[in-house]
Amino acid sequence: EIVLTQSPATLSLSPGERATLSCRASQNILYYLAWYQQKPGQAPRLLIYDASNRATGIPARFSGSGSGADFTLTVSSLEPEDSAVYFCQQRSKWPLTFGQGTRLEIK
Amino acid sequence: QITLKESGPTLVKPTQTLTLTCTFSGFSLSINVGGVGWIRQPPGKALEWLAIIHWNGEIHYSPSLDSRLTISKDTSENQVVLTMTNVDPVDTATYFCAHRGPDPDAFDIWGQGIMVTVSS
Repeated sequence: EIVLTQSPATLSLSPGERATLSCRASQNILYYLAWYQQKPGQAPRLLIYDASNRATGIPARFSGSGSGADFTLTVSSLEPEDSAVYFCQQRSKWPLTFGQGTRLEIK
Repeated sequence: QITLKESGPTLVKPTQTLTLTCTFSGFSLSINVGGVGWIRQPPGKALEWLAIIHWNGEIHYSPSLDSRLTISKDTSENQVVLTMTNVDPVDTATYFCAHRGPDPDAFDIWGQGIMVTVSS
């Protein structure tokens, strides 16, 4: 099973700042990584697929990068509504796996 | 427009079998490439993928739950059913169903989720 390790566990930043979230895979997953945003009481929302492709309707301030085993989700200029938990998920090999999440707090 | 909605019991007793139904619209599992997966989330914890069924009948399960899970589809009713046998309090979680597209190949649309509590 491929293990995804996200860091940091919690990130606290101010509006307008840049957020960098990391997801590291236990083995090479090429570019088969997605990022999801989850707000309290809501279902996850797809942000990024295949490492760097924004899903439909996702603002341009969200971007993804990386390949192999190291991936990054960047939020270029934080808005208050970006406060959420962010999960990564790989589809390289069965079983599909998720990371444990990074909580992003906006001060 | 794709939508999915989970239904089923919100309280089950330990050792019972849990049956959850995902009713969807906006796509067909008989003619469209793609699939429907189940993911759960214990309170305050991470997402855990459980199972998936694809349009062509291809099925995959989480190895840790393989012996307890069965996923099936009813294409005429646009439903996907997940059964979990011998439930335990640790199975208490919100259960989501989600559409997996071919493009994007990710869980692009999710249901609202259903909170299931396992307790005697």
